[in-house]
Amino acid sequence: EVQLVESGGTLVQPGGSLRLSCAASGFSFSTYWMSWVRQAPGKGLEWVANIKQDGSEKYYVDSVKGRFTISRDNAKNSLFLQMNSLRAEDTAVYFCARLNIFGWFDPWGHGTLVTVSS
Amino acid sequence: EIVMTQSPATLSVSPGERATLSCRASQTVSSNLAWYQQKPGQAPRLLIYGASTRATGIPARFSGSGSGTEFTLTINSLQSEDFAVYYCQQYNNWPPWTFGQGTKVEIK
Repeated sequence: EVQLVESGGTLVQPGGSLRLSCAASGFSFSTYWMSWVRQAPGKGLEWVANIKQDGSEKYYVDSVKGRFTISRDNAKNSLFLQMNSLRAEDTAVYFCARLNIFGWFDPWGHGTLVTVSS
Repeated sequence: EIVMTQSPATLSVSPGERATLSCRASQTVSSNLAWYQQKPGQAPRLLIYGASTRATGIPARFSGSGSGTEFTLTINSLQSEDFAVYYCQQYNNWPPWTFGQGTKVEIK
């Protein structure tokens, strides 16, 4: 069974940093693009970042460029999101998702909540 | 950036009836469109990709249609488990990969 399990979400102060993790199992992790998608409380879905199989290509939504870094460890079947200079508007549930080669997200993890507040 | 606009924001439907959800793209996305279902407290689930192909395990009462800029998700004979929020997403022009704001299907 394909599984994605996120962790690392917590309460952090504005300007702080946080590292999210996503543990993948049940599929050949190293052969897929991977993504982070977030959802602010009561709001819709917003794509955040993608990373290619070998980490050689990365894409970010404009609002996080220069602050967030997506990375992966194929040996450990893990995806990461390093979040720096956090702002209140970064408060959201962050989902890890597998990106199909054509561009849809499937499956998704259960999400981890990041709250940025003083 | 391609902007995806869904309508209506909320759709009230009785169990057993049909629900018709719309998604419009600000420019053509060909057939590169997906639909997702999200229930409260859960992760989104892929329903449709390629505008009209059901994902694995998705019941036949879900169908997608459209191409270019206008798309429709139809849910026939709504079941209790179908009341949820539905999102469309384009993957024709990226980055960014963009979602609509969602349509909530609620019990009438």
